Amino acid sequence: EVQLVESGGGSVQPGRSLRLSCAASGFTFDDYAMHWVRQAPGKGLEWVSGISRNSDRIGYADSVEGRFTISRDNAKNSLYLQMNSLRTEDTAFYYCAKALGFTFGVDLDYWGQGTLVTVSS
Amino acid sequence: DIQLTQSPSSLSASVGDRVTITCRASQTISSYLNWYQQQPGKAPKLLIYTASNLETGVPLRFTGSGSGTEFTLTISSLQPEDSASYYCQQSYTTPRCTFGQGTKLEIK
Repeated sequence: EVQLVESGGGSVQPGRSLRLSCAASGFTFDDYAMHWVRQAPGKGLEWVSGISRNSDRIGYADSVEGRFTISRDNAKNSLYLQMNSLRTEDTAFYYCAKALGFTFGVDLDYWGQGTLVTVSS
Repeated sequence: DIQLTQSPSSLSASVGDRVTITCRASQTISSYLNWYQQQPGKAPKLLIYTASNLETGVPLRFTGSGSGTEFTLTISSLQPEDSASYYCQQSYTTPRCTFGQGTKLEIK
């Protein structure tokens, strides 16, 4: 059974940093691209960042480019999101999601339960 | 950036009804359009990928169609468990992508 479990969320002041983790199991992690998608409370979905299976291709949304860094450790079946210079508008549930196919696609067939990041003074 | 506009933003329908949700793209995206269902308090779930392909395990009452700039998600016979928000997503500009604003479906 595919499982994605996010951790690392919490409350933080503007300008501070936070690192999210996503532990994957139930599939061959290094066969698939992975992504982070966020959702502000009561709002819609926003793609944040994606990373290819061997980390040679990475993409970011304009809203986080230069502040967030995505990475993965295939030996540990883990995905990460380093978030620096956090802003109040980064407040959201952050979901880790697996790509459907073997390409660097963004068709997301499995999602974690999400971790809440709250940025507030 | 490619914008996706869903209509309606919300709707209410009865069990057994046929329901259609539309997603329009600001420019052509071929068939690179996915549909997700999100029930309250849960993560999104992939229903349809590449416009018309049913994800494994999704009931056959869900169908997707369209290409270019106009797409539809149809539920042929609404069930109580279909009460949820539905989002379209374009994957034409992968890995970057955009989602529609969502459609909230309520069961009468």
